[in-house]
Amino acid sequence: AQSVSQHNHHVILSEAASLELGCNYSYGGTVNLFWYVQYPGQHLQLLLKYFSGDPLVKGIKGFEAEFIKSKFSFNLRKPSVQWSDTAEYFCAVNNNAGNMLTFGGGTRLMVKP
Amino acid sequence: EADIYQTPRYLVIGTGKKITLECSQTMGHDKMYWYQQDPGMELHLIHYSYGVNSTEKGDLSSESTVSRIRTEHFPLTLESARPSHTSQYLCASSGVGGPSTGELFFGEGSRLTVL
Repeated sequence: AQSVSQHNHHVILSEAASLELGCNYSYGGTVNLFWYVQYPGQHLQLLLKYFSGDPLVKGIKGFEAEFIKSKFSFNLRKPSVQWSDTAEYFCAVNNNAGNMLTFGGGTRLMVKP
Repeated sequence: EADIYQTPRYLVIGTGKKITLECSQTMGHDKMYWYQQDPGMELHLIHYSYGVNSTEKGDLSSESTVSRIRTEHFPLTLESARPSHTSQYLCASSGVGGPSTGELFFGEGSRLTVL
């Protein structure tokens, strides 16, 4: 069975700091990878996704993620965070044949103004 | 903007009560899902449906049941709530391609507390 690990449960940054949230998955085959975000009081929404091709994926609001197959990782990055990035971030994975997404435990990001 | 709605958003009830969490989507999606999430923990899939009259259990065992009589509705029921059922329940749906495209649309969740 596939699993997803997010090592940082809580991250606190000041505005303009750089962000990197770790995500590792366990599955030996071809995978599709996703980052979802949940802003306070709002529903989960898709931030970015990787299916194939360029391992550096760009998403909305200046976020990007890099797929490193050898490390089974799909870390989320943003060069300069804003207060409005305060949210909970979830990494998710499914295999090409699967019909379900497996989510990590989430990372709660707080950006201080 | 997601067109998937959950009610109630918050519910506090006593042990032994029967509860139904409603989920509706207006996107005509065939696939719908229920996830359970405890604070700081992963989202776990507890039920899913690929269409009307289709329901399956997810990877986390749950005492809840679901039904899919109409495409747009996917209610979740607990016949006799217990404190161990206290959690947040998230409903989601997806269209063509399903989770393979990553396009799951989530509701805002129903936070259940059983006293």
